[in-house]
Amino acid sequence: GENVEQHPSTLSVQEGDSAVIKCTYSDSASNYFPWYKQELGKRPQLIIDIRSNVGEKKDQRIAVTLNKTAKHFSLHITETQPEDSAVYFCAASPFSGGYNKLIFGAGTRLAVHP
Amino acid sequence: DTAVSQTPKYLVTQMGNDKSIKCEQNLGHDTMYWYKQDSKKFLKIMFSYNNKELIINETVPNRFSPKSPDKAHLNLHINSLELGDSAVYFCASSRGRNTEAFFGQGTRLTVV
Repeated sequence: GENVEQHPSTLSVQEGDSAVIKCTYSDSASNYFPWYKQELGKRPQLIIDIRSNVGEKKDQRIAVTLNKTAKHFSLHITETQPEDSAVYFCAASPFSGGYNKLIFGAGTRLAVHP
Repeated sequence: DTAVSQTPKYLVTQMGNDKSIKCEQNLGHDTMYWYKQDSKKFLKIMFSYNNKELIINETVPNRFSPKSPDKAHLNLHINSLELGDSAVYFCASSRGRNTEAFFGQGTRLTVV
């Protein structure tokens, strides 16, 4: 089955620096890669997603890149702010009878220090 | 308006008891899910329903039984609760394949 590995598990940066989180997936049939942010005690919420027909997508300070050949995808946050502090999850959606089945990475705890 | 709501938010119960968690979505989505988040924050899919039909069952113990009375509701019943069932359970819904999953606020289950 699909396996998603995520690194690093923790990341500490100074406000204004960039943060990069990397994921690899195992199922080459996966074609949807969302990123979720989970603040302490809250629900996971989608921040950006990318589909396999696109190599890069950007939304203000957040960008995601996808390398289908290498089965890698990454989240880039620029000009980090303290409110970016949270746990970030990558996910991949393998083909599962035509239905959504998100397989999540183990999460990255990002701390942005003022 | 809450898009995906689940109740209760907290549930503390003794080993061996049976409990239920309810979930409702008002987004008009066809697909609903249950995810389990353990103490290490790992999110794992348990079940998925599409239009009231079970489509994904991720080798979850038989003590867990989901029920979908209609496509807006997906409940989770757990029999004979064990200590290892302690976790946060998230309900979610999505419009279909490869679309955003909207999560409920979670139910923190503690088995003592």
